[in-house]
Amino acid sequence: TQLLEQSPQFLSIQEGENLTVYCNSSSVFSSLQWYRQEPGEGPVLLVTVVTGGEVKKLKRLTFQFGDARKDSSLHITAAQTGDTGLYLCAGVYNQGGKLIFGQGTELSVKP
Amino acid sequence: DAGVTQSPTHLIKTRGQQVTLRCSPKSGHDTVSWYQQALGQGPQFIFQYYEEEERQRGNFPDRFSGHQFPNYSSELNVNALLLGDSALYLCASSLRTFIQYFGAGTRLSVL
Repeated sequence: TQLLEQSPQFLSIQEGENLTVYCNSSSVFSSLQWYRQEPGEGPVLLVTVVTGGEVKKLKRLTFQFGDARKDSSLHITAAQTGDTGLYLCAGVYNQGGKLIFGQGTELSVKP
Repeated sequence: DAGVTQSPTHLIKTRGQQVTLRCSPKSGHDTVSWYQQALGQGPQFIFQYYEEEERQRGNFPDRFSGHQFPNYSSELNVNALLLGDSALYLCASSLRTFIQYFGAGTRLSVL
């Protein structure tokens, strides 16, 4: 059974603070995706990482894929209230196949 | 360009009833995947359809069935509804890749 452990499950911070969300598995992914989901909406794709050691930046968000392709992290610099939402990592174990999601990190950024 | 559309947005059923949810993929996409998301959890893969056939299936009972039509749209059917089937049902479409785009979902409540 392929499992993705995401941590922390909940995070409440003040505007301007930095944070990191982790996604770990004992299995190797062919790729990993990060999504953000707001209440009443479907997940929206933020980034896809494919190569071990890959780092991608999206404005204040930095995504890293572990060298062994078993883990990933999302770092947000100087969080804003608009960053509030559910962050989901999803692993892909074969091309074109199903996504295996972590349980999500509920982020609340307070003004 | 319309994204993934799902209908209905909300649905209330009673135990034992049957339900059909519908999904129209993003223009140009040929693969549809269905996920179940319980409150406070990450989405769980139900099944994936490609060329009108079920290509992969997650760990869901036979009460969950689906169909894909020649125009690539899809339906998810759930028979003999249980209270535990209450969830957000998400449809995602893709074009022969692992990058999946999600609809806003159908919120199903079973009373």
